[in-house]
Amino acid sequence: NAGVTQTPKFRILKIGQSMTLQCTQDMNHNYMYWYRQDPGMGLKLIYYSVGAGITDKGEVPNGYNVSRSTTEDFPLRLELAAPSQTSVYFCASSSLQAVSGNTIYFGEGSWLTVV
Amino acid sequence: RKEVEQDPGPFNVPEGATVAFNCTYSNSASQSFFWYRQDCRKEPKLLMSVYSSGNEDGRFTAQLNRASQYISLLIRDSKLSDSATYLCVVNVGSARQLTFGSGTQLTVLP
Repeated sequence: NAGVTQTPKFRILKIGQSMTLQCTQDMNHNYMYWYRQDPGMGLKLIYYSVGAGITDKGEVPNGYNVSRSTTEDFPLRLELAAPSQTSVYFCASSSLQAVSGNTIYFGEGSWLTVV
Repeated sequence: RKEVEQDPGPFNVPEGATVAFNCTYSNSASQSFFWYRQDCRKEPKLLMSVYSSGNEDGRFTAQLNRASQYISLLIRDSKLSDSATYLCVVNVGSARQLTFGSGTQLTVLP
């Protein structure tokens, strides 16, 4: 029972490099999210998607891009990595908006360091 | 003022103790409330939803006070395995407005 799978788990990037964090879910959830969590802080929403072909900005979208070509996949792209993007990234999905009370399922996280 | 504020912690309690966490939220239009648990270097996982009437799940009791805009979590008979960070989560009705508190760290000591 895979749930939400994100890769890679760890990555070190040099300033200015680009990379894509992959995220896939096998629960047929419409809603998918990308969060970042800085040390000692709560999760902040980067981007979210309510279905294939639809994406929208969250609280901290600058420096990131996303796409949602299928229900299952929601990759997060960092175009020009900066030290401020050093963080833990969590992908998540849910079947309905959290307002309904349905739980959000998280991937195991991706630890990204930009040096 | 932060949208969701939690007790700063850390809380260090002996096994068997009762411990309570509080969380306040600023948006009176908030509709859904949750407590998530996050173990060190792990993803958050839903501990329990919080309902207006209050709800209990074993040793855990969650309360919501809409008038004062705060949520509480009570853990009775603490176990070593309860050691984790507890995140208060508030939703005002859309995916974009799911707001996480910064978490309260709990360590249960033998």
